[in-house]
Amino acid sequence: GAGVSQTPSNKVTEKGKYVELRCDPISGHTALYWYRQSLGQGPEFLIYFQGTGAADDSGLPNDRFFAVRPEGSVSTLKIQRTERGDSAVYLCASSLPQGPKDEQFFGPGTRLTVL
Amino acid sequence: QKEVEQNSGPLSVPEGAIASLNCTYSDRGSQSFFWYRQYSGKSPELIMSIYSNGDKEDGRFTAQLNKASQYVSLLIRDSQPSDSATYLCARGGATNKLIFGTGTLLAVQP
Repeated sequence: GAGVSQTPSNKVTEKGKYVELRCDPISGHTALYWYRQSLGQGPEFLIYFQGTGAADDSGLPNDRFFAVRPEGSVSTLKIQRTERGDSAVYLCASSLPQGPKDEQFFGPGTRLTVL
Repeated sequence: QKEVEQNSGPLSVPEGAIASLNCTYSDRGSQSFFWYRQYSGKSPELIMSIYSNGDKEDGRFTAQLNKASQYVSLLIRDSQPSDSATYLCARGGATNKLIFGTGTLLAVQP
């Protein structure tokens, strides 16, 4: 079946602009995660949705970052007043939540470049 | 101390050899561990998960977990050039979020 999809694959924006990144999880997966990966680092957790609600947003770096999942499927990560330090690959993952045995499957990512 | 630590490498092995990738973690309460493979410019791909002490085998891959030593490893038998990638170790955390190491770059020499 189809995996996690993310759009756009690449986004170039100017400092101070607003961007939206979209994630479409695997069908039937109720858990959705956003991570951010910088060069040479492992992915860093941002936010976790179980259904429509954010179960854990402790990884969002500041209030410029916000994510929604209004119908419990597609999610949008929104970044206001972008800064050069926001440049990274933004990864989305989804899973059937299985407690500690939860296996997460990643989408291809969106490479964000802030000029 | 980082929560999940890996040697960044590169780890270079000849084709056909066993590649051994290691990972340590600091939270003794961790219950789940995962190995992801990431090719350059691509996203992480789940290759192994392990939850209990001991070995878990899947094809050419064996994951090993030792909770007393807070140590996880991944063995790749009969290494192939196509195995050349960065291998990310992750542990499951509260609310199921994954906490990753920085990854080990594996280079399999033909």
